[in-house]
Amino acid sequence: DVKVTQSSRYLVKRTGEKVFLECVQDMDHENMFWYRQDPGLGLRLIYFSYDVKMKEKGDIPEGYSVSREKKERFSLILESASTNQTSMYLCASSGGYYNEQFFGPGTRLTVL
Amino acid sequence: AQSVAQPEDQVNVAEGNPLTVKCTYSVSGNPYLFWYVQYPNRGLQFLLKYITGDNLVKGSYGFEAEFNKSQTSFHLKKPSALVSDSALYFCAVTSNNAGNMLTFGGGTRLMVKP
Repeated sequence: DVKVTQSSRYLVKRTGEKVFLECVQDMDHENMFWYRQDPGLGLRLIYFSYDVKMKEKGDIPEGYSVSREKKERFSLILESASTNQTSMYLCASSGGYYNEQFFGPGTRLTVL
Repeated sequence: AQSVAQPEDQVNVAEGNPLTVKCTYSVSGNPYLFWYVQYPNRGLQFLLKYITGDNLVKGSYGFEAEFNKSQTSFHLKKPSALVSDSALYFCAVTSNNAGNMLTFGGGTRLMVKP
């Protein structure tokens, strides 16, 4: 069974902290994605990666960075967390082009 | 730039009745369209996609969607709704110009009442 796992379901951090969100997939997919989900706004793409060490900015990359050192792992980094980064963060992976993305369960991040 | 509109925040339907969740899109190039569903406290699950070919696409759990190029729409349908279909539904689009970068709509909450 295909699986995308995320390091935490719930996370509470303080303003200014550095935050790491980790995502692991076991499907040998080359594409991995980070989204944030906010009510009424749907999912917005933060970054995606199409290969190890490769990344592309999505629609809302400001305040975020990513790291992909191994094919199965894609990390999202909030360099200095702010309250407006309180959100649900979803990781996904896919293979090839125009194929369905498989999503992790999400991390609900609260920044105080 | 590509965009997706889901004009209804919520759709209410009685169990056993047909349901429609609306989606319209805007892309440059050839559109590739997807529907995903999110059940409470769970991640998104893929329902169906249109890439090319037949305009009527069948997917999981008895759902189907019709691609209409002239109306730039991709409405999700099911002939007979179940209470268990109650969830949040997202339409998404990409194109041959955007590769794997999906743009999602804002989501539509489907409520099926017994």
